[in-house]
Amino acid sequence: DGGITQSPKYLFRKEGQNVTLSCEQNLNHDAMYWYRQDPGQGLRLIYYSQIVNDFQKGDIAEGYSVSREKKESFPLTVTSAQKNPTAFYLCASSGRTLENYGYTFGSGTRLTVV
Amino acid sequence: KNEVEQSPQNLTAQEGEFITINCSYSVGISALHWLQQHPGGGIVSLFMLSSGKKKHGRLIATINIQEKHSSLHITASHPRDSAVYICVPMDSNYQLIWGAGTKLIIKP
Repeated sequence: DGGITQSPKYLFRKEGQNVTLSCEQNLNHDAMYWYRQDPGQGLRLIYYSQIVNDFQKGDIAEGYSVSREKKESFPLTVTSAQKNPTAFYLCASSGRTLENYGYTFGSGTRLTVV
Repeated sequence: KNEVEQSPQNLTAQEGEFITINCSYSVGISALHWLQQHPGGGIVSLFMLSSGKKKHGRLIATINIQEKHSSLHITASHPRDSAVYICVPMDSNYQLIWGAGTKLIIKP
């Protein structure tokens, strides 16, 4: 079955270290997204990519970087410049054809920086 | 005014009760997602719908595009249904508009 795989589910890092969150999809979706959720808050868009080798900043891109070298993969790096990296991170993808219309969501990665 | 309003924000009920969570939105949409998030857990996609009604087990989702309103119902609620339920409309540009979520607690 097609879907999105985010790994790991829980991640712990020391302050000052960069960390990369993985997101892979086998849905043949063109667009992929990263969202952040803080406790008790709604999700906010960090970065999105509509096509391979192209991506756009979302509402809260500062302190994050992404790449889209392959259609299936959209890794997110949380850099040491991100002041409050501890949060829940959600990856999603979307398609617009009849075969794969709508969004599919990963299960998320909960990052804790100590 | 928020583009998506969920009600109630918090709901506590007894096991077995019929649960209704409402979602109203102010923009034109092409579809709407309902998601579930357990405490400390990940996101589970429950439904995507653009018209009518969908049912999966004890969960039922309805949408009225003309009235810009969707509801999520849970029949015979159980403590394991305790979670945050998030309504997420998708606008005509395929962008998601995130609701704040409804926190549901089902007591045994």
